[in-house]
Amino acid sequence: DVKVTQSSRYLVKRTGEKVFLECVQDMDHENMFWYRQDPGLGLRLIYFSYDVKMKEKGDIPEGYSVSREKKERFSLILESASTNQTSMYLCASSLFDPRDEQYFGPGTRLTVT
Amino acid sequence: SQQGEEDPQALSIQEGENATMNCSYKTSINNLQWYRQNSGRGLVHLILIRSNEREKHSGRLRVTLDTSKKSSSLLITASRAADTASYFCATDPSMDSSYKLIFGSGTRLLVRP
Repeated sequence: DVKVTQSSRYLVKRTGEKVFLECVQDMDHENMFWYRQDPGLGLRLIYFSYDVKMKEKGDIPEGYSVSREKKERFSLILESASTNQTSMYLCASSLFDPRDEQYFGPGTRLTVT
Repeated sequence: SQQGEEDPQALSIQEGENATMNCSYKTSINNLQWYRQNSGRGLVHLILIRSNEREKHSGRLRVTLDTSKKSSSLLITASRAADTASYFCATDPSMDSSYKLIFGSGTRLLVRP
């Protein structure tokens, strides 16, 4: 079974802090994704990566950056956290085609105070 | 507005009854997927149906796709309390070269014991 793990289930940070969210997948998937999920808005893609060191902006990349130095690990960075980044963050991966079945991690609920 | 929109937004049924959720979308697609999300957790892939398929089954799940009406339905037969979750459709627009899925905002299903 594919396993996607995220570094924290719950995180509380202060405004202005730099925040790192980490995601690891164990099945040698090519593609990895970061989404945020807010009530009534569904899932919105922040960034995705189709290979090591390769990335593409999603729908809402502002205020975020990503890093993929190794195939199994995809990090989401909030350079200077703001209260409007309080959300549920979901990491996902897919094998070859980014539009095929995606495997999700358990999510990180981030609160910025 | 979103590509995939689920209907109804919320559904409450008795255990043993069938649950039907619908997804409508705006542009032509390559495939449509359904995911389940238990409260506060990540999404779990249920089924993928391609644009040249009309119906697909997986256990108690039945998915139909009507490309002429740009809609899909997910039927859960003989529902159980454990089916209580949010259900999302995700579309892969065929005219979109950005290689991303577009998720709807979901149907919240409550199965009463």
